[in-house]
Order: sequence, then C-alpha cells, then structure tokens
Amino acid sequence: SQQGEEDPQALSIQEGENATMNCSYKTSINNLQWYRQNSGRGLVHLILIRSNEREKHSGRLRVTLDTSKKSSSLLITASRAADTASYFCATQTFYSGGGADGLTFGKGTHLIIQP
Amino acid sequence: DAGITQSPRYKITETGRQVTLMCHQTWSHSYMFWYRQDLGHGLRLIYYSAAADITDKGEVPDGYVVSRSKTENFPLTLESATRSQTSVYFCASSLQETQYFGPGTRLLVL
Repeated sequence: SQQGEEDPQALSIQEGENATMNCSYKTSINNLQWYRQNSGRGLVHLILIRSNEREKHSGRLRVTLDTSKKSSSLLITASRAADTASYFCATQTFYSGGGADGLTFGKGTHLIIQP
Repeated sequence: DAGITQSPRYKITETGRQVTLMCHQTWSHSYMFWYRQDLGHGLRLIYYSAAADITDKGEVPDGYVVSRSKTENFPLTLESATRSQTSVYFCASSLQETQYFGPGTRLLVL
C-alpha cells in the first residue's frame, strides 16, 4: 500500500523561481527521505529528515516535517533547468541502527523547469 | 568502478520463461533491496536482505525469488515470467538509513 502521496503530481515553473512539493503519509515513521529521478535513471538521495526534526537544509533544498499532520514539504529555491526531474518522498518506519525496513515511496511529483 | 550496478539494463522475454536480474555493489553494504517501478504505483519493495543468507519479503514478493550467497550480489529471479511483471526493476543498497540505487533494468514480458 502507498505510504506517501506527493502533491502536486506535476509542476511547471520558470527558471529562477522556487518549487514546493508536498508529501503526506499515513503511519508513524522513523524518517522521511526525498529522492530525485532523472528520466531513465536510478533514484538519487537528496535529503533525510528524522521524526524528531522539524526542518533541514541542504544547499538549495529545504525540507520540513510535521509529524502531527503526517506531512512533509520539499522546497527547491532558485530553480535551474537541471532540476527538471521526478521527486519522490519515501518513508521508513523502522531503523534500529542494526536493521532497516525498506522504503515506502509515493508516486512522485514531476517537476519541469522552463528556461 | 565503485557503486551499484545492474545487469542486464534491458531485457525482453516471453511469458513462462525464467529470468534473472543481477545486482552487484562494491561498498560492502549489509542491506540490499529490490524495487519495481510502475506507472501509477511508484516504487514498490519486492524483497530485501539484511546480510548474506538473510532475506525477507517486501510488499509485492509473489512470483519472485531472491538469494544472497555473497554480500556484494543480490540476484532477483522471476521463476515463470508473466506480463504483469513488465516493469523497471531497481536494486538498492543502504548505508544506515540512506539507500543508493542502481540504474535499473527495464524488463518487457511478451
């Protein structure tokens, strides 16, 4: 069953603008991760936020997590044409340091950056 | 080259045939995973492995078999391929919580 659901399914913006994607999930999690997938390629890890964290930054990426609403958002600032890709949120319900669940992915947001 | 590789990258087969997709990682990560990606479903976990000789089912394991005799290899076998197994298959390994994905294998079952 799908854990994460991204919103919107597709987003088209002008280069230089900010892009915001949202993710909602259903059950308690240990962490939430965002991945990027360029067309025809494998997924690349972008950022991880743990359940006890509320906000995290990495370069032009900002992720927030609201566990009370079971939702997360990914903000990409000053978008570039190279940011065109599909973005997936993935939740992990269990991680003990010695063992880990697989990730449960949403269906993704397809982001198009218009030059 | 270091990293995670998958072979073949593209495969066409017929229903009822046995197919094995290979996955190899050079990092010595303990955990490895197999996912399938389908339009409308996103990625779904098929099987995962915590270490050599330890495997467990994911969300959609039916019709698939895995083995892990060596830490670096995690092959996925479709025992008798069906058209519903047409998909893109991704292998991943993990270091702590982060997963690292291979380039994928596009499988078409006719």
